This record gives sequence, C-alpha cells and structure tokens, in this order.
Amino acid sequence: DGGITQSPKYLFRKEGQNVTLSCEQNLNHDAMYWYRQDPGQGLRLIYYSQIVNDFQKGDIAEGYSVSREKKESFPLTVTSAQKNPTAFYLCASSINTATDTQYFGPGTRLTVL
Amino acid sequence: AQRVTQPEKLLSVFKGAPVELKCNYSYSGSPELFWYVQYSRQRLQLLLRHISRESIKGFTADLNKGETSFHLKKPFAQEEDSAMYYCALRGNYGQNFVFGPGTRLSVLP
Repeated sequence: DGGITQSPKYLFRKEGQNVTLSCEQNLNHDAMYWYRQDPGQGLRLIYYSQIVNDFQKGDIAEGYSVSREKKESFPLTVTSAQKNPTAFYLCASSINTATDTQYFGPGTRLTVL
Repeated sequence: AQRVTQPEKLLSVFKGAPVELKCNYSYSGSPELFWYVQYSRQRLQLLLRHISRESIKGFTADLNKGETSFHLKKPFAQEEDSAMYYCALRGNYGQNFVFGPGTRLSVLP
C-alpha cells in the first residue's frame, strides 16, 4: 500500500512551535496537494503544487508554508501563526492537476498541546 | 462560488436495504462530480466519477444538472459498505477539488 506516504502518523507540538509534516510519493506524479480534514467540514485545500519549484495557495493557506524542491516530496510546515492547527492532515498526488484521480496518503494527526 | 453539501452526517441502514447518500452542489458551469470513500483504517480513495457512468461495488450515481445533485445509490447495502463517503466537485479547466463535509454510512446486520 505504498505510493504516497506521510510521516509521522501522530504528531504533538507545543503552542508557538513550528512543525513540518512529511509527504513523499514514488508515483512520478507532477501534482501534489495538502488538505486539512476537520469533523463535519470535509477536506479543505491548503496548498497545491503542479510541478517542481512551483506551488499555489489553496482555500486556507494562512499559517502554513510548503516547498517543492523535489518531484517526490512536498513537505508542509504548520507555523505558529496558524490559529487552530489541531487537525488531520492529508497529502495527495495526481499525474497532473487536470487528471481526475487523486491518490491520498494515510494522513498525519497533529495535536497542539 | 463552488460548494458541495451533504445533508446527512450519519446514515444508518440495515443490510439488504437500499441506500442513498445525498449530494448537492452549486457551480455556475459544468462541473465534474466524484464520490470518494474512506473505509475504517484505510486511505481515502476514489469510488466513482460521473464522467465514467460506471457502477463500482454496486454503487451508482447520476448527475442531475436540473436539481444540481449527484446522489450515490445502491439497491442492497452490505456491511462492508460502512464507511465515510465524500462527494467532491471539480470545476471547469481542471480547477481544484471542493469536497463536501461527508456522510458516515453505517450498515447494520
């Protein structure tokens, strides 16, 4: 069940600290995405990247940052500016942004103490 | 603005009964509609898409542009259908997905 992996599965951080969530894919996909999943709200897009060295803000980018230095990696940093960071974070990839199939990672649950 | 609504947070049915998970959307153009499913301890995965007009695991969904709906149906529910179901929309020109809040389907024995 590889393809796209996220680590760690659970993450705890103290208020005021930045934390980086890992997302790696070996599917040779150009596009990668970060979503936030909250109960009763579905998935909301944080950032997406169509190609290496390029990324765009999604609907809720404030308090988050990303980088795309390698095709297979799209790490997400949750900064101290994110007011409500406790959530489940999902990474996804697709061949490109025009294709309709996104492949999702297993997710990381972040809890701010 | 693009929006997807799923009015039921939780839907419980008995095994063998028909099931319908509702999805309504708002979009000014011609969207693409999808259903994603997340089984317990598994990843979110694509179930079906309206363009394909296919039946997956006995589920079908018809896009009704007049009612702006894309309800998911299955005539006879099975216990293994218990999962979280998300309706999603993608607008024209390959825009990003908009997901609904999800419906948890529980199929009782």
